[in-house]
Amino acid sequence: SSELTQPPSVSVSPGQTARITCSGDVLPKRYAYWYQQKPGQAPVLVIYKDNERPPGIPERISGSSSGTTVTLTISGVQAEDEADYYCQSAGDSGVYWVFGGGTKLTVL
Amino acid sequence: QVQLVESGGGVVLPGRSLRLSCAASRFTFSNFGMHWVRQAPGKGLEWVAGISHDGNKTYYRDSLKGRFSISRDNSKNTLFLQMSALRTEDTAVYYCGVGGDYLAYWGQGARVTVSS
Repeated sequence: SSELTQPPSVSVSPGQTARITCSGDVLPKRYAYWYQQKPGQAPVLVIYKDNERPPGIPERISGSSSGTTVTLTISGVQAEDEADYYCQSAGDSGVYWVFGGGTKLTVL
Repeated sequence: QVQLVESGGGVVLPGRSLRLSCAASRFTFSNFGMHWVRQAPGKGLEWVAGISHDGNKTYYRDSLKGRFSISRDNSKNTLFLQMSALRTEDTAVYYCGVGGDYLAYWGQGARVTVSS
């Protein structure tokens, strides 16, 4: 299957750690990527190849992988982290892309 | 900093066609694969199509094959998405992005509304 499943929402208090999961059968075979999207804005890449951070992304944002699940972890959550987060990977063929349904992170 | 600017969006009747453009600058366009991703109102991201750096290989979401066509003009640093037989469910913001396996950079999007 080329589907990626994310929880619709995650809520945390400021300073706490947020963990957003993404599950899919393709994930042991393909890298996962994470994007952050704030209202009215284009998505921004925050993690590539499971756990690599692009320049300019704070160190408190990290990624990990275990079997069919990848996890985006945001430590010391701040109000500015409130956004929708999407995971993405390639399909079984490695050519076609698939996105998770997105997770809305709410900072209480 | 990489710049991607989409244009060509608007309101169109069902069954009509529309062509989106994505003007790229501040990077070597001909070296990179490109993609289109769309987002319907209030919904998540959906991959639409991709094209290799030289334009020789194109890839499409299965449900859009035959109606959408991706192309590029490396001499003009421009990516295109030709959309035909548009349906109300094609209403979305269409983003272009640069990358092979993922989108390192995204444009700000072009809004397409299919409505009678």
